[in-house]
Amino acid sequence: QKEVEQNSGPLSVPEGAIASLNCTYSDRVSQSFFWYRQYSGKSPELIMSIYSNGDKEDGRFTAQLNKASQYVSLLIRDSQPSDSATYLCAVINSNYQLIWGAGTKLIIKP
Amino acid sequence: NAGVTQTPKFQVLKTGQSMTLQCAQDMNHNSMYWYRQDPGMGLRLIYYSASEGTTDKGEVPNGYNVSRLNKREFSLRLESAAPSQTSVYFCASSEAGQASVADTQYFGPGTRLTVL
Repeated sequence: QKEVEQNSGPLSVPEGAIASLNCTYSDRVSQSFFWYRQYSGKSPELIMSIYSNGDKEDGRFTAQLNKASQYVSLLIRDSQPSDSATYLCAVINSNYQLIWGAGTKLIIKP
Repeated sequence: NAGVTQTPKFQVLKTGQSMTLQCAQDMNHNSMYWYRQDPGMGLRLIYYSASEGTTDKGEVPNGYNVSRLNKREFSLRLESAAPSQTSVYFCASSEAGQASVADTQYFGPGTRLTVL
């Protein structure tokens, strides 16, 4: 079992709809959770971080963390074609290591 | 403010050749990292440096060496390149030391390396 798992996709979402990206992790004592966006041929860039159970909102983005179920999700409201990218989930585990998921490719269809 | 810069952007090597990937950051960050990214496998940590003068192995260090030349620069060396080292290499930096749990990493543009 991988430490951080994501559905590789592609996930296809119509423009204007809500895109929902999910990530599960295996280390129950993981402490911090990050969502990075990576455009094709570019480097990852941080979108959001979340440390406590519940929701964290930033503009059109909402991160949701459920430590009991060991998953973290990213919702993108009013999806735009510019949101088409690969989204990487990263988790700091109990050994203070940053572990990365393989990413979910998101395609927003105009 | 250039952020994190990497050279070269592209490189083709023959098996057995050596090369050094250069990375520099101008954000006065303490920690620097080298990752490789392969299709379907996400980012894998090769080496990191939590402060000037220290380096530690990551998940996939075999075949690589690193040097933290000063606070700004962190280089990655392939002594004898192998086709399995064909990948995209990213350098990253973060403000705090490695043990910080709330630390954003900032990435360079990457080096696309092909080993024939």
